[in-house]
Amino acid sequence: SQQGEEDPQALSIQEGENATMNCSYKTSINNLQWYRQNSGRGLVHLILIRSNEREKHSGRLRVTLDTSKKSSSLLITASRAADTASYFCASTQGGKLIFGQGTELSVKP
Amino acid sequence: DTEVTQTPKHLVMGMTNKKSLKCEQHMGHRAMYWYKQKAKKPPELMFVYSYEKLSINESVPSRFSPECPNSSLLNLHLHALQPEDSALYLCASSRDSIWSPLHFGNGTRLTVT
Repeated sequence: SQQGEEDPQALSIQEGENATMNCSYKTSINNLQWYRQNSGRGLVHLILIRSNEREKHSGRLRVTLDTSKKSSSLLITASRAADTASYFCASTQGGKLIFGQGTELSVKP
Repeated sequence: DTEVTQTPKHLVMGMTNKKSLKCEQHMGHRAMYWYKQKAKKPPELMFVYSYEKLSINESVPSRFSPECPNSSLLNLHLHALQPEDSALYLCASSRDSIWSPLHFGNGTRLTVT
């Protein structure tokens, strides 16, 4: 079973808008990671947030982590058409990195 | 461009064929992974090698046989596959463990006929 559940499953926005994706997980984590996957390509690591961190920024990305709710969110600000991709959270379970179901983001120019 | 190179990019094989997928990284990473991904699904872990030793096998059928000849190379040998094995096979590496970010190759698109 997948560790992470994400919502929404699909998100369509206009260029310039912000996109927020949420991830929930079931067990204690050491860290939580977010990845992006363009169609037919490999995954690209975006950001890692440790269990003792609450918020982290990287360029237009902002990740939050709430360990009491076992949830994380990824915010992409001022989205661009090039941000169109699938986004996955990934967390550790039993010594394995397990991916959530993913959010498919479409940014229309 | 990715620092993890996978070959071939595409592979079509019959159910009686034997083929191999190859993965190479030169980042000095000591953990390497095989994931399988079906369309519109997340990657599913198959195998993990840590310091060239198989550390995790996710109950993968024996028709998939991994091999790690050295710290830079990872192979996946395929034999007697089924059509349902058709998928994108992704190789990844990380510095030393799952606590480090994974670097993925662009995958091999496998079709079993």
